[in-house]
Amino acid sequence: GQSLEQPSEVTAVEGAIVQMNCTYQTSGFYGLSWYQQHDGGAPTFLSYNALDGLEETGRFSSFLSRSDSYGYLLLQELQMKDSASYFCAVSSKGYSTLTFGKGTMLLVSP
Amino acid sequence: NAGVTQTPKFRILKIGQSMTLQCTQDMNHNYMYWYRQDPGMGLKLIYYSVGAGITDKGEVPNGYNVSRSTTEDFPLRLELAAPSQTSVYFCASSYQGNSGNTIYFGEGSWLTVV
Repeated sequence: GQSLEQPSEVTAVEGAIVQMNCTYQTSGFYGLSWYQQHDGGAPTFLSYNALDGLEETGRFSSFLSRSDSYGYLLLQELQMKDSASYFCAVSSKGYSTLTFGKGTMLLVSP
Repeated sequence: NAGVTQTPKFRILKIGQSMTLQCTQDMNHNYMYWYRQDPGMGLKLIYYSVGAGITDKGEVPNGYNVSRSTTEDFPLRLELAAPSQTSVYFCASSYQGNSGNTIYFGEGSWLTVV
């Protein structure tokens, strides 16, 4: 089977940098995705890593280490609007769909 | 662009009633999905479809049925509603399923069973 672990909550202040971790267990790993969900809203795609290393998109960066079955999402220059839940999701051989983690709730304070 | 559209937005059902959540997408995506999300929890896959005429069970299919007669539409049927089905339901679609292709979600349907 597949499983993902994420911390349930992370707090940070405006302007800071925050890292949200994700560890996974699966066979036939293809890639790791990240989605953002504001309270009451639809999840939206942030990034995807298939290879080891860092992918940067503006203030958001996502990292993957396939050997460690580990990834993280890094948010820089935090803004209040970044307060949301962040889900990692794994795609694997033999599974036709993504499997989502339970998500990390990020609370940004002034 | 409309993207993924699901209706209704909110619904209250009585125990034992049935209903259909409608979902349509205008992106010509092959894959469509139904997820449920309980408070403070992640997304659990109910059913998915890889194309018209093909559906398959996800993690939590019991109490639900789906059909995929067209590429655009993927309705979710709840038979004999139970309080355990109180949840937020998200329909979604993607071009492919098992890759970095973005999954696009609808705005959600809040269902309460009393």
